[in-house]
Amino acid sequence: EAGVVQSPRYKIIEKKQPVAFWCNPISGHNTLYWYLQNLGQGPELLIRYENEEAVDDSQLPKDRFSAERLKGVDSTLKIQPAELGDSAVYLCASSLDFSVPAPYTYEQYFGPGTRLTVT
Amino acid sequence: QKEVEQNSGPLSVPEGAIASLNCTYSDRGSQSFFWYRQYSGKSPELIMFIYSNGDKEDGRFTAQLNKASQYVSLLIRDSQPSDSATYLCAVKLEGTYKYIFGTGTRLKVLA
Repeated sequence: EAGVVQSPRYKIIEKKQPVAFWCNPISGHNTLYWYLQNLGQGPELLIRYENEEAVDDSQLPKDRFSAERLKGVDSTLKIQPAELGDSAVYLCASSLDFSVPAPYTYEQYFGPGTRLTVT
Repeated sequence: QKEVEQNSGPLSVPEGAIASLNCTYSDRGSQSFFWYRQYSGKSPELIMFIYSNGDKEDGRFTAQLNKASQYVSLLIRDSQPSDSATYLCAVKLEGTYKYIFGTGTRLKVLA
């Protein structure tokens, strides 16, 4: 079974340019997460989707970040315009739908991430 | 502010020894706890999860949970150089689907 797929793996852009990241979750996983990870830190949640609904986007800087998950499968995270401080690894993760009856599984599985460098 | 705390390390152990990684959390109601391994330049990989007090064993890995002390640990027996990585502790906050990650402990297994 394929894991979480992300692209691109690496992206270098100049500040003020737009950038977009794509994620395809594990088949059957209705819950999708976007995280940001800075060097030496743990992942920090940006946004969580249940199917196509964004149910937790409180940490998403909405002035420049946007996300969508059309049809409840693939998701795109966009930054426009990018700033120097946005340089980080952007991780996508997925997990089973929490409404699924027991045995519950709350485990998240991460994709390979996109390393963004803003110059 | 819900927190998950880990010693950043590095924790150095000789090959074949037991590595003990510790994590404390502040959300007393949390029920679900996870350990991820992250190699340099790679994404986190889930290696253990635990929901009940006590020990859970999987091969060379044992997760230990003490909810009263708000403490979760990971033991790695017969440590190998390939175990050298950063180990992230994650806690699912009670009543939410939000996960808080610690900053990770860097483990170095010396050959």
